Amino acid sequence: DAGVIQSPRHEVTEMGQEVTLRCKPISGHNSLFWYRQTMMRGLELLIYFNNNVPIDDSGMPEDRFSAKMPNASFSTLKIQPSEPRDSAVYFCASRGTGGQPQHFGDGTRLSIL
Amino acid sequence: EDQVTQSPEALRLQEGESSSLNCSYTVSGLRGLFWYRQDPGKGPEFLFTLYSAGEEKEKERLKATLTKKESFLHITAPKPEDSATYLCAVQGDSGGSNYKLTFGKGTLLTVNP
Repeated sequence: DAGVIQSPRHEVTEMGQEVTLRCKPISGHNSLFWYRQTMMRGLELLIYFNNNVPIDDSGMPEDRFSAKMPNASFSTLKIQPSEPRDSAVYFCASRGTGGQPQHFGDGTRLSIL
Repeated sequence: EDQVTQSPEALRLQEGESSSLNCSYTVSGLRGLFWYRQDPGKGPEFLFTLYSAGEEKEKERLKATLTKKESFLHITAPKPEDSATYLCAVQGDSGGSNYKLTFGKGTLLTVNP
């Protein structure tokens, strides 16, 4: 079975540019999570969707960050405008029902110059 | 606020040298404690879920145990392919949440041949 698929795997762009990260969750999973991982802070939850609806976006750092889930098989995380401090690895994870664990994609390594 | 502390930060073992990794936690109403393995450039890979004190789970050379304050990941006769970062996370029930994982910063395990 295909796991969580993220694209791009690497993104290097200049400060001020718009960045869009993409995620395809595991088929049949109804929960989707976006995380950010840095050396200093570890893995932090940014936003949680359940059945395509944003439930908890308290981890989104500021208004420059936005996330959408237009259907059960696709989600985006957008940063506009990007700043150097946004440089990190961004992970998407999905989870089925019944207390199943979260399954992670391989992440997008984002570098903002 | 849920908290997870993992120790040591890094551990070097010789092949065949058994040891344990520690995960200390404070949580409001434990719903589950999760162990993940993360290889460089990859996303966290699910290993185990533990739900209550006294529970144990095993997978190949790994065994996870749980008490009311901490969890241990025991590695028996490790091999070089066990080298990875091991992450611990807890899910509590604060605010009625059934989804939020709080991660530790991980233990980087290196097994030398």
